[in-house]
Amino acid sequence: DSGVTQTPKHLITATGQRVTLRCSPRSGDLSVYWYQQSLDQGLQFLIQYYNGEERAKGNILERFSAQQFPDLHSELNLSSLELGDSALYFCASTAGRTMSFADTQYFGPGTRLTVL
Amino acid sequence: SQQGEEDPQALSIQEGENATMNCSYKTSINNLQWYRQNSGRGLVHLILIRSNEREKHSGRLRVTLDTSKKSSSLLITASRAADTASYFCATEGSSNTGKLIFGQGTTLQVKP
Repeated sequence: DSGVTQTPKHLITATGQRVTLRCSPRSGDLSVYWYQQSLDQGLQFLIQYYNGEERAKGNILERFSAQQFPDLHSELNLSSLELGDSALYFCASTAGRTMSFADTQYFGPGTRLTVL
Repeated sequence: SQQGEEDPQALSIQEGENATMNCSYKTSINNLQWYRQNSGRGLVHLILIRSNEREKHSGRLRVTLDTSKKSSSLLITASRAADTASYFCATEGSSNTGKLIFGQGTTLQVKP
């Protein structure tokens, strides 16, 4: 158990809909990362938050957005869903207590999104 | 886009044998990490090697890093059936954001 929790575990929805994925980092961790894992694209970095602020952006679609709240949990919002958005979505956290990043990233169990 | 390529894509060995997986990457890095993923589940961190390190050990795992060749290898010694999983290398670039770029992974099957 990494200490990172994600809800829900599974999500089945229809095209055009909007969903919210939730991540609670390990206690005390300030940085949260979101990744998408799909069969054709592999594991792709989406976005990172550090202590409530966006820190880095990857291949995140404009239909997707995220935020990190004062209690450090994070939500990934996916809207206007398409079939191709079906994937495993992981969040990870690191302590990130300083700006010197060489931290192990601890991954949550993931949310499996199926868009029908 | 993928930073690294892993080789082989799939590996099947007998229990007790050693397994070696290779990872190549394209740009300069701060560190390289190896993760394991059991089918459809979360990623488990195995080992982190910094760009100024050449070799690191953790239990039955040995990781090497050659920054001149932009490559790394993961050796699992005396493999067990429980080692059956996908193994990914991930690089953290020099931008100091901590974001990881993953390779495509090697699927390892260890036969009892």
